[in-house]
Amino acid sequence: EIVLTQSPATLSLSPGERATLSCRASQNISSYLTWYQQKPGQAPRLLIYDASNRATGIPARFSGSGSGTDFTLTISSLEPEDFAVYYCQQRLNWPWTFGQGTKVEI
Amino acid sequence: QVQLVQSGAEMKKPGASVKVSCKASGYTFISYGISWVRQAPGQGLEWMGWISAYNGNTNYAQKLQGRVTMTTDTSTSTAYMELRSLRSDDTAVYYCARDDSSNNYMDVWGKGTTVTVSS
Repeated sequence: EIVLTQSPATLSLSPGERATLSCRASQNISSYLTWYQQKPGQAPRLLIYDASNRATGIPARFSGSGSGTDFTLTISSLEPEDFAVYYCQQRLNWPWTFGQGTKVEI
Repeated sequence: QVQLVQSGAEMKKPGASVKVSCKASGYTFISYGISWVRQAPGQGLEWMGWISAYNGNTNYAQKLQGRVTMTTDTSTSTAYMELRSLRSDDTAVYYCARDDSSNNYMDVWGKGTTVTVSS
């Protein structure tokens, strides 16, 4: 099973700052990486698929990069509504595993 | 609009079974799969498995093999997830999500069904 390791576990930032979240895979997953955002009490929301493609309706301040084993989600300038937990998921092989999440807090 | 509506909260005793439903609307049901994801209290997301609404093919997380069954009813555009031999660590919110396997993402999610396992 492919293990995804996200870092840091928690990121403490202020609105307007840049957020850089990391997701590392235990083996080469090419670009088969998806990012989700989850707020308390809500279902996850699709942000980025295939490592760098923004989903429909996702603001341009969210961007994804990377391939192989190292991936990054960047939020260029944090808005108040961006404070949430972010998960990466690999879609190369079954099972489609998730990382443990990164919490972006104020 | 595209939506997935899940069944209500369940409370079960250890050893029992639960069956959660997920009714789709607003899109062609058989054109997508359905993934099931659960989240234990205060924990991260756990992918449970996937079913093709087109042909019923499934793939389950190995840790749940033998206890989980995912099915679909194309006549009602509804997906089901049954989990048997429930344990306390199955207590979680269970989500269904529309799965676009061609584009490698889950883009529409249900609101979740809370399953509590307690004696």
